[in-house]
Amino acid sequence: SQELEQSPQSLIVQEGKNLTINCTSSKTLYGLYWYKQKYGEGLIFLMMLQKGGEEKSHEKITAKLDEKKQQSSLHITASQPSHAGIYLCGADRRGGTSYGKLTFGQGTILTVHP
Amino acid sequence: EAGVTQFPSHSVIEKGQTVTLRCDPISGHDNLYWYRRVMGKEIKFLLHFVKESKQDESGMPNNRFLAERTGGTYSTLKVQPAELEDSGVYFCASSQVGGTANGNTIYFGEGSWLTVV
Repeated sequence: SQELEQSPQSLIVQEGKNLTINCTSSKTLYGLYWYKQKYGEGLIFLMMLQKGGEEKSHEKITAKLDEKKQQSSLHITASQPSHAGIYLCGADRRGGTSYGKLTFGQGTILTVHP
Repeated sequence: EAGVTQFPSHSVIEKGQTVTLRCDPISGHDNLYWYRRVMGKEIKFLLHFVKESKQDESGMPNNRFLAERTGGTYSTLKVQPAELEDSGVYFCASSQVGGTANGNTIYFGEGSWLTVV
């Protein structure tokens, strides 16, 4: 089984609709990163969450980390075609002496129809 | 400020050949990471440099892969000899001193897309 499960695997919405992507871990998350990728491009950093209950926003995107630090959600308000892409969550396990050894979910493919 | 840059962006090589990927991290970033995504799988960690030292290379798949970071600046990842299953996207990333322990984010490059035929 995956260490990080993202749901849904894909999502198709009409422009203007709100949507939520979830990232669930079987282990405690010490740092949870959200990235966005467009085909053929690199990973664009969106937000990083570290504290249980933490919530951050950037433009129309809000990410939360639950109190138990085992689940994060990414919410997009009033989606636009520019939001389309692959959303990835990455977990920092703080394993051993290596920080930045992220474990990624499989990604959520978001399509926004105009 | 320039981001993480990778070269080449795309490469097609034959099985058995050698390919060398290069990564230039953001200036001043001591931490440099290599990740890769092969078809149908999630992005996986390969290794982590702190300056010129390998901090963690637990994700390197086998001894056909060699990563170096001489001088603690840019890094290279060599695959020799390349096999079909090495095809995928190789991402480089960097972060400041302290890495994620200090809440410093990890910035990724656009990736080097490798196809082995």
